[in-house]
Amino acid sequence: EVQLVESGGGLVQPGGSLRLSCAASGFTFTSYWMHWVRQVPGKGLVWVSRIKSDGSNTNHADSVKGRFTISRDNAKNTLYLQMNSLRAEDTAVYYCARDRGWNVLDFWGQGTLVTVSS
Amino acid sequence: DIVMTQSPDSLAVSLGERATINCKSSQSVLYSSNNKNCVTWYQQKVGQPPRLLIYWASTRESGVPDRFSGSGSGTDFTLTISSLQAEDVAVYYCQQCYSSPFTFGGGTKVEIK
Repeated sequence: EVQLVESGGGLVQPGGSLRLSCAASGFTFTSYWMHWVRQVPGKGLVWVSRIKSDGSNTNHADSVKGRFTISRDNAKNTLYLQMNSLRAEDTAVYYCARDRGWNVLDFWGQGTLVTVSS
Repeated sequence: DIVMTQSPDSLAVSLGERATINCKSSQSVLYSSNNKNCVTWYQQKVGQPPRLLIYWASTRESGVPDRFSGSGSGTDFTLTISSLQAEDVAVYYCQQCYSSPFTFGGGTKVEIK
């Protein structure tokens, strides 16, 4: 059974940093691109980042470029999102999702809430 | 960036009736390599992550009931629920998978009338 479990969310002050993790199981992690998508509670979905299966290629939304970094440890079957210089507008539930190909997201984790507030 | 515009924002449909959700892309999302439109539809129920329903604009994901169908070409796409069931109450999102950033529509909330 495919499972994606996010962790690392919490309350952080503006300007602070946080690293999210997404533990993957039930599939061959090294064969799949992975994405992060976020959602302000009660609002819509916003794509954040994507990483190639071997970690050699990444893309980020303009709103997080230069502040967030997506990475992965294929030996640990884990996806990461390093978030620096956090702003109030980064407050959201962050989901990791598996890309089955052509940027189609076929499995999603339950999400982890990040709150940026003083 | 490709803008995905969904309409309506919400709709209320009687049980057993048809629900139609529209999604318009600001530019073509057609892959010339396979002549397919890169539009994906997701369903999100309250308190749950999104669920994949339709990909390549019209291919139903395994396990998705056949009352869900996708159609469209060019820049106009539609998700249809042919006979609304109580368990279909959710927010539905389209997404373009053509180019980064892989933008979502704003969502359409479907309720029972």
